[in-house]
This record gives sequence, structure tokens and C-alpha cells, in this order.
Amino acid sequence: QQQVKQSPQSLIVQKGGIPIINCAYENTAFDYFPWYQQFPGKGPALLIAIRPDVSEKKEGRFTISFNKSAKQFSLHIMDSQPGDSATYFCAALENTPLVFGKGTRLSVIA
Amino acid sequence: GAGVSQSPSNKVTEKGKDVELRCDPISGHTALYWYRQRLGQGLEFLIYFQGNSAPDKSGLPSDRFSAERTGESVSTLTIQRTQQEDSAVYLCASSRLGLGYTFGSGTRLTVV
Repeated sequence: QQQVKQSPQSLIVQKGGIPIINCAYENTAFDYFPWYQQFPGKGPALLIAIRPDVSEKKEGRFTISFNKSAKQFSLHIMDSQPGDSATYFCAALENTPLVFGKGTRLSVIA
Repeated sequence: GAGVSQSPSNKVTEKGKDVELRCDPISGHTALYWYRQRLGQGLEFLIYFQGNSAPDKSGLPSDRFSAERTGESVSTLTIQRTQQEDSAVYLCASSRLGLGYTFGSGTRLTVV
């Protein structure tokens, strides 16, 4: 049973575009939702995270939108750059450990 | 250290052999996690250590897999009698308060 469903599997956008990656969950006890960015040959790195008591969080060009009633959250990347090309994972936490989505491979083309 | 260190970075082993993978967490991080990442897949939880508490082994896929941690320092993941389906990247992470996991770069295991 997949606890966090992530879509799309892959995404190609033009430089300057706004890729959006979506995640959905069923467990209403989840109370922490991070996004991780992974470059080839590296481990995932924490990008941004949100708690369910807020609907949006921005850090630089990265924004999480959170819809508690729909049990969905998404990552938006403003003014995307080729250097943003990576695999992105959403995750959720009730008690340890983090549960991860299957990842989205993003390619930003110039 | 400054980050989570894993060794070796790559390991090729013959089917049926045992392998040991090592993880050095960030100093002061009480929690340590092992995940497995198959090619093009998400992160699959294996095992979790928190301080001196009994580890959460609920993600270990079979009794061929085991892990140890000495106090709040180094951890080793052991895979006995390796099979081809064990081929994957094994990632270790540590955290201070159960949030904000810091991952190492992983060990890429290839079983031939």
C-alpha cells in the first residue's frame, strides 16, 4: 500500500517555466511534509517542508501548497533553471520514519 | 563530521557473498536510518535507530538483512547471501530530532 502517491513520474519544462509536482496521502495523522531534491550520484537533500497548519510556504523559488481537506500538497518551482533538473521526492511523517513518494524526474531545458 | 559519510561508495559482489555497508552519521544526531533505492524508484525504508532504544526493523525485506549501531555513532548494514534483487543504492540518513534527515551519498551495490 503506497502511503504517499506522487505525480507525475517525469516532467519536462522550458527554462523559466513553473513545474508543479503533486502528492496525495490518506493518513490524516501525518503532520510534517518535506520535499527532497536528488541529483544523480548523490543522496536526497531537504529542500523545503511544511506543517499542516499552514496552506503555503515559500523559500526562494520553491513553494509548497498544502490542501488539508483534499489531503494533497504540491511543489512549485518558479522561474525554473537547467540547474533544477533533478529528481524530487515528497514525503510525509507521522512517527518515524519518513514515508517517501516514488519521485518525479524533472528536466528543465534551455 | 560535516555530513553523513557512507562507504564504500560502490560495491560489486558475487551472488551468494555477504556484504557490509558502513554509515558515519553527523555527530550529535541521535537518529539513524537506512533506506534502499532501486533504479528509478523511491526510497524504501529498511531500519531505524534512535539512541539506545531497540531499533525499528520493520522495513527489513528478509532475514538476510541486518544492521547494527554502536551507541550514537557508526552503523553497519549487512546483507548475507546476496541475491541479484539486492542490487540497489543503499542510503543512510541521520537526524537530530526526527525531522530534517541528512542523507549520505549512498553505496551502490551490484550483485553479479
